[in-house]
This record gives sequence, C-alpha cells and structure tokens, in this order.
Amino acid sequence: ELKVEQNPLFLSMQEGKNYTIYCNYSTTSDRLYWYRQDPGKSLESLFVLLSNGAVKQEGRLMASLDTKARLSTLHITAAVHDLSATYFCAGDFGNEKLTFGTGTRLTIIP
Amino acid sequence: NAGVTQTPKFRVLKTGQSMTLLCAQDMNHEYMYWYRQDPGMGLRLIHYSVGEGTTAKGEVPDGYNVSRLKKQNFLLGLESAAPSQTSVYFCASTVTGLLYGYTFGSGTRLTVV
Repeated sequence: ELKVEQNPLFLSMQEGKNYTIYCNYSTTSDRLYWYRQDPGKSLESLFVLLSNGAVKQEGRLMASLDTKARLSTLHITAAVHDLSATYFCAGDFGNEKLTFGTGTRLTIIP
Repeated sequence: NAGVTQTPKFRVLKTGQSMTLLCAQDMNHEYMYWYRQDPGMGLRLIHYSVGEGTTAKGEVPDGYNVSRLKKQNFLLGLESAAPSQTSVYFCASTVTGLLYGYTFGSGTRLTVV
C-alpha cells in the first residue's frame, strides 16, 4: 500500500529557530514534491526533487531527497511569521499521479 | 495567465441534488486530476485523466463521475449529493511525466445539507 507520512503533524515554533519536517514514503520513488497551503487557499508548489540526493533551497526553506532511505526533509532556517502555513509532501510512484501526505501545520510564534 | 480555473468557488446543495464542477486549464496540459481535501486527511484523489477522452478512478471515486471531452476541461459530477461529500475540491493539471508537479486551481468549497 502506498503511504506518505509526514511528521510532525503540528509544529509550533518560535521565530528565529530552526526546524525540520520529515516525509517518509512506503515504496520506491525517484521524485518528491513539496507544497505550501495558506488557510482557505490553494496549494502552491515549493520544490520539485527529481533524483536521489537532490537539494533545493528558496529563502529560508531547503528541501532534500534520499531515495534509498525513502525520506525527504524540509528544513526551515531562522523561522519568520510569514512561513506559517500547512506544508504537504507528495510522491510520484510511477503511476501518473501524486500521493500526498496529510500535511504539517506550522505555526511561527513571535 | 489564467492557469487552472475552477467554477463555482462555493456551493451549497441539498441532499440528493446533483451538480457539476468545472475545471479548465489553458496550459495545454495532458494530465488533469480531481482531489478532495478534508480536515486531517490531506488530499485524496477522486478521478484523474491522462488525456482527452480518458478517465480513471482514484482513491475515493464512489459517488462521483467525470468526463474529459476536451483537453482543456475536466468535469466532476455529483449525481446525488450526500453530506459525506461536503469538502473542498481541488482540480490540478500537469504535463506528461509529472516533471513540474501539479498546478492547482483555487478550489471549490461544497456543503451538502
């Protein structure tokens, strides 16, 4: 059974701190995607990771992919309030569609 | 750039009524999808299409039908709405091979009373 698991599901962190969101998946995938969703809004693409060892960075966010460990991480550096949102990872398991994790709700506290 | 457009944005239905949600994309994407989003459950795939005239079932297809008569449009139908279909529905599209992930529409918030 295909599973994409994120942890933590809820994360409350102080501004200026660093933290990591983990995305584990149950079967082989060479591709992993990260999305951001603000309350009441649609999903916005953050990163597309297309191979083992891929690392991408945008501002205070950095995503990486380890296909052998079936693990992707989304690292937040020196968090700011604007990063408060729900973050989803999704895997492409070769069946022409993405399977999403249940999301991590991130709240940045001043 | 319109991208992916969903109509309507909000709708309230009575149990047993029918309706059609429209998804239109102007990016010449081959693949189109319908997901529903419920609290604590992430996004679950209802139906999808990998090209004009094709459709396939996703994870939660019961109670829904779809059609892709034109490449740019993907319609989601509810024949007899039930309260369990109260949800936020997202349409998405992408190119063959999923190289860029999905482009999502803005969503349709449906309430069935």
